[in-house]
Amino acid sequence: DSGVTQTPKHLITATGQRVTLRCSPRSGDLSVYWYQQSLDQGLQFLIQYYNGEERAKGNILERFSAQQFPDLHSELNLSSLELGDSALYFCASSPSGLAGGSRSYNEQFFGPGTRLTVL
Amino acid sequence: EDKVVQSPLSLVVHEGDTVTLNCSYEVTNFRSLLWYKQEKKAPTFLFMLTSSGIEKKSGRLSSILDKKELFSILNITATQTGDSAVYLCAVGWGTDKLIFGTGTRLQVFP
Repeated sequence: DSGVTQTPKHLITATGQRVTLRCSPRSGDLSVYWYQQSLDQGLQFLIQYYNGEERAKGNILERFSAQQFPDLHSELNLSSLELGDSALYFCASSPSGLAGGSRSYNEQFFGPGTRLTVL
Repeated sequence: EDKVVQSPLSLVVHEGDTVTLNCSYEVTNFRSLLWYKQEKKAPTFLFMLTSSGIEKKSGRLSSILDKKELFSILNITATQTGDSAVYLCAVGWGTDKLIFGTGTRLQVFP
């Protein structure tokens, strides 16, 4: 158990709908990352938040957005869902986030993931 | 463009065999190389390598990094069915970012 929690575990919805995925990082971790994993692709980095602020953006669609709240939990919002959005969505956390970094560069701890199925 | 390439894509072996998984990379501002094991769900951390030529070991697993040739290998000796998983290689760059390879699927049969 990594200490990162994600809800829900599974989500089935129809095209055109909107869903929210929730993530709570490990206690004390300030950085939260969101990844998408499709069957035919590896883990694709979507977005990173550090202490409430957006820090880096990856291959995140404009239909997707995220935020990190004062208690450090994060939500990933997916709207106007398409069939191709079906995937596993992982959240990861790490302690660091500042240039010059911590002792453990880049180590991230992953949550169990949310499986999204769009019908 | 930064990229991480893993090979082979898939590997099927019998229990007791030794396997070597490869990871090559082209990433600017390289900081570290990480190996993860992904079974049914979340990737779990195995190793982080930052220095060339220093082997890291954990039981039957070991890994080494070559920063000159830009690759790493993950060795698993005396494989067991519980080693069946997708093994992911990721390269850390910048402050906290990771680029993942597509993984090597290992299946170990009794």
